Amino acid sequence: AQRVTQPEKLLSVFKGAPVELKCNYSYSGSPELFWYVQYSRQRLQLLLRHISRESIKGFTADLNKGETSFHLKKPFAQEEDSAMYYCALSVPGGSYIPTFGRGTSLIVHP
Amino acid sequence: DGGITQSPKYLFRKEGQNVTLSCEQNLNHDAMYWYRQDPGQGLRLIYYSQIVNDFQKGDIAEGYSVSREKKESFPLTVTSAQKNPTAFYLCASSPGTLWAQHFGDGTRLSIL
Repeated sequence: AQRVTQPEKLLSVFKGAPVELKCNYSYSGSPELFWYVQYSRQRLQLLLRHISRESIKGFTADLNKGETSFHLKKPFAQEEDSAMYYCALSVPGGSYIPTFGRGTSLIVHP
Repeated sequence: DGGITQSPKYLFRKEGQNVTLSCEQNLNHDAMYWYRQDPGQGLRLIYYSQIVNDFQKGDIAEGYSVSREKKESFPLTVTSAQKNPTAFYLCASSPGTLWAQHFGDGTRLSIL
């Protein structure tokens, strides 16, 4: 079965510092990958997906099939980026039902 | 206002009691999902439905049941067989399973 690993439970940075939230997956084919975000007191929502190759709120994520990774990056963190971030994977063999990682809590200090 | 509505926001269950969590969507999405969210565990899939009158078990379906009689509704029943029901429950929908999901605000279930 496919698996998503987010190795960091908590990531703490200062405002203006670069941030990278790691996501590794186990799947040998071509997956669909997503990043979801949950801000305080808000519902879980899509941040970005790899197929769209866009930058949302300054965040980007590149699919690296060789390393089976989909890390989320932002060059300059803002306080409003503080949230819970989940990486999710969909694969054809699983009817595309997504598998979620355990999440990383990002705290950006002023 | 389009979206997913979960109710109630908070729910309390007595021992041996079944309770039903409501999930309604007006996005005209075919697929709907139920997740359980525990601290440090991420989102774990309970049940999903890709089409009306059809649903499939997820990773942790034991002690739960669902129905999908209407496209817009996907209620979850937490039965007395679920020995550790205290959790935050999230409902989601998507146009199809390949698409990104839209989530509700969640229901927090506690045991009295």
